[in-house]
Amino acid sequence: AQSVTQLDSQVPVFEEAPVELRCNYSSSVSVYLFWYVQYPNQGLQLLLKYLSGSTLVKGINGFEAEFNKSQTSFHLRKPSVHISDTAEYFCAVIIPEPNTGFQKLVFGTGTRLLVSP
Amino acid sequence: EAGVVQSPRYKIIEKKQPVAFWCNPISGHNTLYWYLQNLGQGPELLIRYENEEAVDDSQLPKDRFSAERLKGVDSTLKIQPAELGDSAVYLCASSFSGEATQYFGPGTRLLVL
Repeated sequence: AQSVTQLDSQVPVFEEAPVELRCNYSSSVSVYLFWYVQYPNQGLQLLLKYLSGSTLVKGINGFEAEFNKSQTSFHLRKPSVHISDTAEYFCAVIIPEPNTGFQKLVFGTGTRLLVSP
Repeated sequence: EAGVVQSPRYKIIEKKQPVAFWCNPISGHNTLYWYLQNLGQGPELLIRYENEEAVDDSQLPKDRFSAERLKGVDSTLKIQPAELGDSAVYLCASSFSGEATQYFGPGTRLLVL
């Protein structure tokens, strides 16, 4: 079964510093990969996604992620963070079932990004 | 374009009481999902609808949870009776049928006392 691992439960960083949030997945087949952000007391907002094509994916709010098939990783990066980036970030993987076409989204446990002045 | 709408946003009930959550997906989205998000965890799928048909409810605790999507648009998730362990955030999401990208609502935060 596929799974998603976010090794860092919390990442503290100073404003304007770069940040990388790590995500690894386990799957032997092609996957689709997502990063969602959840601000306090809100739902999940899609940051970016990798479906196919270029392995470097750019998303909203200046975030980007790189799909690395050999390392089964999809790390999220931002060159300069803002206070407003403080939130919970979830990596998720989806694998299409060949017969039904159903695509179950499986989430990691999340990484809390704490940006301080 | 309006996003996924959920209500109520917050609900506090006593254990053994019933509770219901409502979700209206993005217009045109045939597929609707209900997720459970426990504190400090990622969301986990409870049930998926394709139009009005529940096509995957394997993770729904059927002894106390039920869901419906009678006209293939909005949906209701019910818990009866609620237990202390049901305290969590219940998220609704929707997508076009067969598409990978899901769009989430703001969630309903349930507290069972």
